[in-house]
Amino acid sequence: DTEVTQTPKHLVMGMTNKKSLKCEQHMGHRAMYWYKQKAKKPPELMFVYSYEKLSINESVPSRFSPECPNSSLLNLHLHALQPEDSALYLCASSRPGQGEETQYFGPGTRLLVL
Amino acid sequence: AQSVTQPDIHITVSEGASLELRCNYSYGATPYLFWYVQSPGQGLQLLLKYFSGDTLVQGIKGFEAEFKRSQSSFNLRKPSVHWSDAAEYFCAVGYTGRRALTFGSGTRLQVQP
Repeated sequence: DTEVTQTPKHLVMGMTNKKSLKCEQHMGHRAMYWYKQKAKKPPELMFVYSYEKLSINESVPSRFSPECPNSSLLNLHLHALQPEDSALYLCASSRPGQGEETQYFGPGTRLLVL
Repeated sequence: AQSVTQPDIHITVSEGASLELRCNYSYGATPYLFWYVQSPGQGLQLLLKYFSGDTLVQGIKGFEAEFKRSQSSFNLRKPSVHWSDAAEYFCAVGYTGRRALTFGSGTRLQVQP
């Protein structure tokens, strides 16, 4: 089973709202990722968690706040977003520590900021 | 810095025709190479991957790819395209010590009946 689930599938929010995106995997993977993908562009890495610790933050604005409460869950808390933050947000996971890592992606959350 | 180039932004093929999508990378060490496919509004599905060993790798849905070190390429092929193959295809490169993947810009495949 190589399934990564994400909720919600779609989200519309105003610039003053606070919302959260959720990602879950039960493959025993200990690395989890958030990517942002704009239309007709490749995914751009935002954050990486390795063994529940933040290991990479690609200079993402503080209005995006990741959280990894346990090895199966990854959240992305959103606050005071801008319309340009509208995008597809993808979660991925991999099994770290073996040198050869394959990232498995979830279906994404389509976010629209009004 | 490593980079991945997919020179074809858009390719149209007829159903039943063969397909080759190009991918070139620049990096000094041997990379890990991946092809992902993305249908509109969906996540990325792994088609195949190369880490080491046999340079011709088989993937899902009848796809294969060949790693050519001398050409720094990892081209994706399929002998007979089906209408359901219409999607965006991304080549990606990773390497030991860094979790992040570097993606190419993608190739959009259209399939004509």
